[in-house]
Amino acid sequence: EIVLTQSPGTLSLSPGERVTLSCRASQSVSSDLAWYQQKPGQAPRLLIYDASNRATGIPARFSGSGSGTDFTLTISSLEPEDFAVYYCQQRSNWPLSFGQGAKLEIK
Amino acid sequence: QITLKESGPTLVKPTQTLTLTCTLSGLSFTTNVMGVGWIRQPPGMALEWLAHIYGNDEKNYSPSLKSRLTITKDTSKNQVVLTMTNMDPLDTGTYYCALRKSGGFFDFWGQGTLVTVSS
Repeated sequence: EIVLTQSPGTLSLSPGERVTLSCRASQSVSSDLAWYQQKPGQAPRLLIYDASNRATGIPARFSGSGSGTDFTLTISSLEPEDFAVYYCQQRSNWPLSFGQGAKLEIK
Repeated sequence: QITLKESGPTLVKPTQTLTLTCTLSGLSFTTNVMGVGWIRQPPGMALEWLAHIYGNDEKNYSPSLKSRLTITKDTSKNQVVLTMTNMDPLDTGTYYCALRKSGGFFDFWGQGTLVTVSS
């Protein structure tokens, strides 16, 4: 099973700041990694797929990079609506797996 | 417009079997590359993938829960059904179904349904 480890667990930031979230896989997942955003009381929303492709309707301030075992999600300038929990997920191998999540809080 | 909606009981007793239904609208769940998965989330905790079924009926399960899970599809009703046996209070959480439209990632999600396991 592939374990995804996200860091940091919680970040306190202000609107306008740049943030980079990390996701590390226990073995290579090639580029078969996605990022989701989840707000309280809502289902997750796909942000980035195949490591670096923005999903439909996702603003350009969101970008993803990486391959193999190390991946990052960058938000270039935080908007108030970006404060949420972010999850990475791999589809390289069964079983599918999610990271434990990273929470962005307003400072 | 593609939508998914979960339905099922909100409260089950320990040891009972949970049956959840995911109804898809706006497309037909028939192509081999399309897949539907079930993901759950205990209160305040992370997402956990449970099971997945492709349009060609190929199935995959979480190894830790495989003995308790069954996923099936009813193409005529455009539904995917998840059953989980021997429910425990630790199974309490929100259960989501989600669609991999092109076989990639979960690009469409249901709203989720909260299931509480309590006597």
